[in-house]
Amino acid sequence: GNSVTQMEGPVTLSEEAFLTINCTYTATGYPSLFWYVQYPGEGLQLLLKATKADDKGSNKGFEATYRKETTSFHLEKGSVQVSDSAVYFCALSDSDYKLSFGAGTTVTVRA
Amino acid sequence: NAGVTQTPKFRILKIGQSMTLQCAQDMNHNYMYWYRQDPGMGLKLIYYSVGAGITDKGEVPNGYNVSRSTTEDFPLRLELAAPSQTSVYFCASATGGIGEAFFGQGTRLTVV
Repeated sequence: GNSVTQMEGPVTLSEEAFLTINCTYTATGYPSLFWYVQYPGEGLQLLLKATKADDKGSNKGFEATYRKETTSFHLEKGSVQVSDSAVYFCALSDSDYKLSFGAGTTVTVRA
Repeated sequence: NAGVTQTPKFRILKIGQSMTLQCAQDMNHNYMYWYRQDPGMGLKLIYYSVGAGITDKGEVPNGYNVSRSTTEDFPLRLELAAPSQTSVYFCASATGGIGEAFFGQGTRLTVV
């Protein structure tokens, strides 16, 4: 079956630091890959997505590249802000119409 | 746009009680999902629906039931609540199976 593995948190950074959150996946087909973000007390919202190999998703300074050869979709941001403090979820969706999520990584950015 | 609306936001149940978590979306999405979120465990799929009248089990369906009589509504029923069902429940909808999912703000349920 499909599965997503994320690096464990929590991650604590200073403002303007570089952020990387690792994500690898297992899928039987050709999935689409997503990063969702959950701010405190809220539901999840889509941060970025990539639908095929070598696609790069980007949004709000975050980027992730769909690497089929390494089955990875690592999230990066060059300079984080306090407002980026949140829980980040890697997810995949295959032809079975279901989203499979990783465990989530809590990121705290300190001023 | 209201998006995905979940009610209630919080609820405390006693063991053995029943309740229905409501979910409604106004985006005319065919796909709807119920997830539960436990600390450090990510989101687990409980049930999903690909259209009115069609539902199917996810990873953790035991103790829950759903129905989908309209495109807009996808209620989740808990029968005989147990402490293991203490969790945050999220409803989501999507236009297609491989697209952006829109989430509600969640229902925090405690079973005591």
